[in-house]
Amino acid sequence: EPEVTQTPSHQVTQMGQEVILRCVPISNHLYFYWYRQILGQKVEFLVSFYNNEISEKSEIFDDQFSVERPDGSNFTLKIRSTKLEDSAMYFCASSEEGSREKLFFGSGTQLSVL
Amino acid sequence: GNSVTQMEGPVTLSEEAFLTINCTYTATGYPSLFWYVQYPGEGLQLLLKATKADDKGSNKGFEATYRKETTSFHLEKGSVQVSDSAVYFCALSDSGYSTLTFGKGTMLLVSP
Repeated sequence: EPEVTQTPSHQVTQMGQEVILRCVPISNHLYFYWYRQILGQKVEFLVSFYNNEISEKSEIFDDQFSVERPDGSNFTLKIRSTKLEDSAMYFCASSEEGSREKLFFGSGTQLSVL
Repeated sequence: GNSVTQMEGPVTLSEEAFLTINCTYTATGYPSLFWYVQYPGEGLQLLLKATKADDKGSNKGFEATYRKETTSFHLEKGSVQVSDSAVYFCALSDSGYSTLTFGKGTMLLVSP
């Protein structure tokens, strides 16, 4: 069964450093998302992406965050200058035309900011 | 704004026990409701959904009924298996194709 893959599974970085989290969505999917879950809290929406542009973003997704689809397969989340409170599990997801509400999630990248 | 509240976990059951995981929501309009499941080491995957009041979603022996009057979408299974051990997330999306609002997740542990 096709799946969303995320790399790396764990990322440790120093505060103030830039990080790029990588995702390969399912190949025929057109809608892409990033969510995150801080330990003990709810899974929170960050951003959705369609047709090479952001279609929706939350208040969390400030100027420190950006997303990109650099080629036909990857979907990346960049955090420009990480803060301690960015430590969380980051989930990438994708969905297809005609079934947008059925999201397929990756297994996540655990980001630890020290 | 929208919100989803789930019962705290972990829920610990013996195999073949009856499962209920409570979920209530607050939303404007007429949301669609979902249960997602995350097995160890894997991503979240859609378990079932219901798009309007009184709809029942079902999959793999799990069921949930969209109750508008109580703003609830409780997950049930008549006889759990060890392989059902996972984290279960209740979620909603507003009418249309808006983003998902999740609850915190409830861990289910089933012992033989």
